[in-house]
Amino acid sequence: AQTVTQSQPEMSVQEAETVTLSCTYDTSESDYYLFWYKQPPSRQMILVIRQEAYKQQNATENRFSVNFQKAAKSFSLKISDSQLGDAAMYFCAYRSVSRSGGSNYKLTFGKGTLLTVNP
Amino acid sequence: AAGVIQSPRHLIKEKRETATLKCYPIPRHDTVYWYQQGPGQDPQFLISFYEKMQSDKGSIPDRFSAQQFSDYHSELNMSSLELGDSALYFCASSRWREGLYNEQFFGPGTRLTVL
Repeated sequence: AQTVTQSQPEMSVQEAETVTLSCTYDTSESDYYLFWYKQPPSRQMILVIRQEAYKQQNATENRFSVNFQKAAKSFSLKISDSQLGDAAMYFCAYRSVSRSGGSNYKLTFGKGTLLTVNP
Repeated sequence: AAGVIQSPRHLIKEKRETATLKCYPIPRHDTVYWYQQGPGQDPQFLISFYEKMQSDKGSIPDRFSAQQFSDYHSELNMSSLELGDSALYFCASSRWREGLYNEQFFGPGTRLTVL
């Protein structure tokens, strides 16, 4: 079974600064997806960024980028130019690459990192 | 664009009562997932359905059952409710397309409180 570990229960950053959230995972699979989800106080789950394991290039979405180290099984999220609206719980998640319809698509989440953005 | 709809959004029940949570996936989505997120916890996978058949099962108690209907909506039935069942229940949907990335879209969740 796959496991996802987020070792930072809480992080804080000053507005406009950069912060990096850490995530490690364990799997015996060679192909998979990794995600960062944001959960603001509204509790809505919002997909921030995804990374496909077979792609060596790190994913980037505007101010959000990842550092994917497949051999080290590490997947960190960097938020640049932090904004007050970035304050939320961030979950790292793992998903297998299914070869058949609808199976093995479940997401396995880490425990989350609560990010505070200070004005 | 249409999103995943969950009803009710809030539900309060007494211990030992039953509850039914409903999920309406995005149109043309054929797969539904249920997750349970306890207070201060990460979401835990409960069960999933593809084309009206159970496709995967996680840590779902025997007191819970679920199904997906012909119109692809899904219902999570919870019986003999316990205090520990108080949680946010998410439904997510996706559309299976072989060889392509199939994103899960989350609903807003149903907050269940058991008193």
